[in-house]
Amino acid sequence: EVEKVESGGILVQPGRSLRLSCTTSGFTFGDYALSWVRQAPGKGLEWIAFSRSKAFGGTTEYAASVKGRFTILRDDSERIAYLQMNSLKTEDTAVYYCISAPDYDVLTATWGQGTLVTVLS
Amino acid sequence: QVVLTQSPSASASLGDSVKLTCTLSSGHSGYTIAWHQQRPEKGPQYLMKVNGDGSHSKGDGIPDRFSGSTSGAERYLTISSLQSEDEADYYCQTWGTGMVFGGGTKLIVL
Repeated sequence: EVEKVESGGILVQPGRSLRLSCTTSGFTFGDYALSWVRQAPGKGLEWIAFSRSKAFGGTTEYAASVKGRFTILRDDSERIAYLQMNSLKTEDTAVYYCISAPDYDVLTATWGQGTLVTVLS
Repeated sequence: QVVLTQSPSASASLGDSVKLTCTLSSGHSGYTIAWHQQRPEKGPQYLMKVNGDGSHSKGDGIPDRFSGSTSGAERYLTISSLQSEDEADYYCQTWGTGMVFGGGTKLIVL
């Protein structure tokens, strides 16, 4: 069974940095594309970052709202995905979800349960 | 860039059927989309993919009451024999320049 557990969400001040983790099991992590998607309170889903597997080039893509501030990282040996978030803004307040899918079928995502990041001065 | 448009809300009665719509922007009518369900206070769950030819493929364990279809630039999610647990937000998703989500439809089961 595919499992993902996000962690690392806390209350943090604007301008600070934070790293989220997504610990996984139940699938061949190194063969999968990974994404981070967030949901601000009472709002819809917003994709923010994507990482292809090494077999598909290992490249990354970012939404304009986070490009240059956030970095998606992966440790294939430990089966963990990370989201490094720098220069946090109040508008980054959201539940952050880690999702995975085969590179050749990125729409068939399985979701974690999410971790809440609150950016507040 | 592809844009997905969903109605903000829909309602239907227990036991009835409901058809939710996701509309692809002009020039993108052939795109495949996915449907996700998000129950209150829960994370989303993948339901199915719906292709431009009308075929669909469901995720593991998704009941037969859920089905997908296509007409032109519109992709549908039909839920039959509505149950109270179907009350949720439903999001469509595709891949353009990055992952794209529709705004979501809140389904109320009366």
